Amino acid sequence: SQQGEEDPQALSIQEGENATMNCSYKTSINNLQWYRQNSGRGLVHLILIRSNEREKHSGRLRVTLDTSKKSSSLLITASRAADTASYFCATEEGTYKYIFGTGTRLKVLA
Amino acid sequence: GAVVSQHPSRVICKSGTSVKIECRSLDFQATTMFWYRQFPKKSLMLMATSNEGSKATYEQGVEKDKFLINHASLTLSTLTVTSAHPEDSSFYICSAQGGALAKNIQYFGAGTRLSVL
Repeated sequence: SQQGEEDPQALSIQEGENATMNCSYKTSINNLQWYRQNSGRGLVHLILIRSNEREKHSGRLRVTLDTSKKSSSLLITASRAADTASYFCATEEGTYKYIFGTGTRLKVLA
Repeated sequence: GAVVSQHPSRVICKSGTSVKIECRSLDFQATTMFWYRQFPKKSLMLMATSNEGSKATYEQGVEKDKFLINHASLTLSTLTVTSAHPEDSSFYICSAQGGALAKNIQYFGAGTRLSVL
């Protein structure tokens, strides 16, 4: 079963704007990860945030985690057309088993 | 970073034939490999988890006789879709995890688009 629910399902913004995606999950987690998928391709790992962390940065990416609300957000700042992709959160269920969210399709208009 | 190669990227086959998809970790030893199926504009559905040298663990609802998984070495796992039918047409993606290079992170292959006529 899919644990992560992401919203919005689709997001369209102008280049230079920030994009925020949210992920909610249901059970306790060890860590939460965000992945990116270009159309018709495999997934690329973006960032991992552990359950004892609240915020993490990587370049233009900022991830927050609120374990009390069982939610995470991914912020992409100063978006570019090349950021157009689908973004998925994934939570670890058991040992080395990740459940992926429903994904947010981001479109950045040049 | 860790690299996972998946082959072929696209395959078209006739109904009733079998198709084998390979997943290789190129620069690390993958103790665990995962096989996913993805429908258009949908999330990834985990099909099975395989550990080197042992039988794969299939998710509920996934037919083990239909989707044969072999993880014979620390760098190679294969998924064979047996007696493929049009409803098996989908995008199949593998991922690998293991070793210091890929301890908590899954590295994904580029996927295989299977079309069964």
